[in-house]
Amino acid sequence: AQSVTQLDSQVPVFEEAPVELRCNYSSSVSVYLFWYVQYPNQGLQLLLKYLSGSTLVKGINGFEAEFNKSQTSFHLRKPSVHISDTAEYFCAVAGNTPLVFGKGTRLSVIA
Amino acid sequence: GAVVSQHPSWVICKSGTSVKIECRSLDFQATTMFWYRQFPKQSLMLMATSNEGSKATYEQGVEKDKFLINHASLTLSTLTVTSAHPEDSSFYICSAAPGGSSTDTQYFGPGTRLTVL
Repeated sequence: AQSVTQLDSQVPVFEEAPVELRCNYSSSVSVYLFWYVQYPNQGLQLLLKYLSGSTLVKGINGFEAEFNKSQTSFHLRKPSVHISDTAEYFCAVAGNTPLVFGKGTRLSVIA
Repeated sequence: GAVVSQHPSWVICKSGTSVKIECRSLDFQATTMFWYRQFPKQSLMLMATSNEGSKATYEQGVEKDKFLINHASLTLSTLTVTSAHPEDSSFYICSAAPGGSSTDTQYFGPGTRLTVL
């Protein structure tokens, strides 16, 4: 079975500052890792995913994440955030079971 | 592309009534559809997985007779909450995937807020 831990429930950051949203996973099998974003009153939208290959994955809206197998992490980063990045971000893992989500991190970008 | 809709977006009902929620993939055929439940400030909890034309696979602890899932076509799945009670109040989200692999991207609907009085 897989599990996901998002270490921060809320992350406030000033506009144009860099941000990192942390995600750690546990699994006994090979995993596939995902980051989804949920804007207010909207469904989840895929930001990026790691299936195999390069450990640095680039996604939409300038986000990227790095798969670190030794640290069982898949942290999400953006070098410069915008007000429009304010949303809930979910890390998820799939392996031999369907997607398992973390509890989410609320990113609040402050002008 | 890859839009998933849900209807209704919110519903209020009396205790003991049944509520049907529809999930549609608008521009692609969904081999697999998923139903999730999300409590405030909580993660999405998978309730069941359904494949078109076959019975849904429910996660442990989810009552099959209470949460009826029908995946009658490649673009429509429905979740019926039977004899709803206040503890069933929650945010229900569906997702749809073109294939059945765990690596397939899931496309999520906007969710349905159910309030049972």
